[in-house]
Amino acid sequence: DVKVTQSSRYLVKRTGEKVFLECVQDMDHENMFWYRQDPGLGLRLIYFSYDVKMKEKGDIPEGYSVSREKKERFSLILESASTNQTSMYLCASSWGGRIYNEQFFGPGTRLTVL
Amino acid sequence: AQSVTQLDSQVPVFEEAPVELRCNYSSSVSVYLFWYVQYPNQGLQLLLKYLSGSTLVESINGFEAEFNKSQTSFHLRKPSVHISDTAEYFCALKTSYDKVIFGPGTSLSVIP
Repeated sequence: DVKVTQSSRYLVKRTGEKVFLECVQDMDHENMFWYRQDPGLGLRLIYFSYDVKMKEKGDIPEGYSVSREKKERFSLILESASTNQTSMYLCASSWGGRIYNEQFFGPGTRLTVL
Repeated sequence: AQSVTQLDSQVPVFEEAPVELRCNYSSSVSVYLFWYVQYPNQGLQLLLKYLSGSTLVESINGFEAEFNKSQTSFHLRKPSVHISDTAEYFCALKTSYDKVIFGPGTSLSVIP
């Protein structure tokens, strides 16, 4: 079974702190994604990566950055956390290729910024 | 621009009753459509997908969805729901290379 793990289920940080959210997948997937999930808005793509050291902006990249130094690990970084970044963050991974490949999701990290 | 609409944010239904969760999409090109389910305190799981071929697709737990190109819809149905079907359901549309647009979600609550 594909397993996508996220470093924390719940996280509480203060405004202005630097926050790291870690995601690891064990299926050698090429693609990895970071979404945020908010009530009534569904999932919105923050960043994605097709390969090591490659990254592409999603729909809402402002205030976030990412890092992919190893194929299995994709980190989301909040350089200076703000209260409007309080949300559920979901990581996903999938095989690469031109046809659609199912995305496998981690359990999510619920981040609260005070 | 491509988009996904789920008109019902919450759907309460009694156990063993039928249910339909509505999804409409907007796209000027060929589409791939999906339904994902999110059980409480879990990540999303793929429920079913339409890529091509038969317009009626089924999942292993009794859900089905029908792709209707003329009505730009991909409604999810189940003839008899169970308590364990209580979850958030997301309709999604594939856009460019491996990028997916999700709808806002429908919360299905099954009442005993």
